[in-house]
Amino acid sequence: KAGVTQTPRYLIKTRGQQVTLSCSPISGHRSVSWYQQTPGQGLQFLFEYFSETQRNKGNFPGRFSGRQFSNSRSEMNVSTLELGDSALYLCASSLGAEETQYFGPGTRLLVL
Amino acid sequence: AQSVTQLGSHVSVSEGALVLLRCNYSSSVPPYLFWYVQYPNQGLQLLLKYTSAATLVKGINGFEAEFKKSETSFHLTKPSAHMSDAAEYFCAVSSYNQGGKLIFGQGTELSVKP
Repeated sequence: KAGVTQTPRYLIKTRGQQVTLSCSPISGHRSVSWYQQTPGQGLQFLFEYFSETQRNKGNFPGRFSGRQFSNSRSEMNVSTLELGDSALYLCASSLGAEETQYFGPGTRLLVL
Repeated sequence: AQSVTQLGSHVSVSEGALVLLRCNYSSSVPPYLFWYVQYPNQGLQLLLKYTSAATLVKGINGFEAEFKKSETSFHLTKPSAHMSDAAEYFCAVSSYNQGGKLIFGQGTELSVKP
């Protein structure tokens, strides 16, 4: 079975721009969670989607949003980028909410 | 609220020595506990998980962890370190009412000396 895939793997943007990151879960997985990883804050939960519905949300500003499609693929969007948004964004998929999460390789975002 | 504390941001061991990475958690409900490993420029790989079955959990690559409720701990061990074990290790907690939300510790970087 193919693992979780994330595109693009690397991204450079400038302040004020917006960005969309994509995540394709493992086949059959219906839950997708997103995390931000930075050296200072570590790994922080952004949000979780299950069957196209956001079921859980972390403590991030409204500039961070996401969605999930009927095929379980998910996107996250960050608007009005700030320098502090530079991070590794990790997506994880699971069969359900309490099931083990399997992570993708991440998208490394650099905001200049 | 749930939280995880990993004691020691950096641990260094010699090849062949015991690996012990410490994790303490806080949770008001029965927790699910996880250890993940991250190699440079990669995502997280699951090593093992505890979900209220056996308190001693065996994982991949010879790692194991013991859930101790009285000590609120879930320390990760490996009897004999290998050079390929050098990586960053994360302990995480979740619970049945948290859905897909993992709370991670700050991570412990493991170095293995030849």
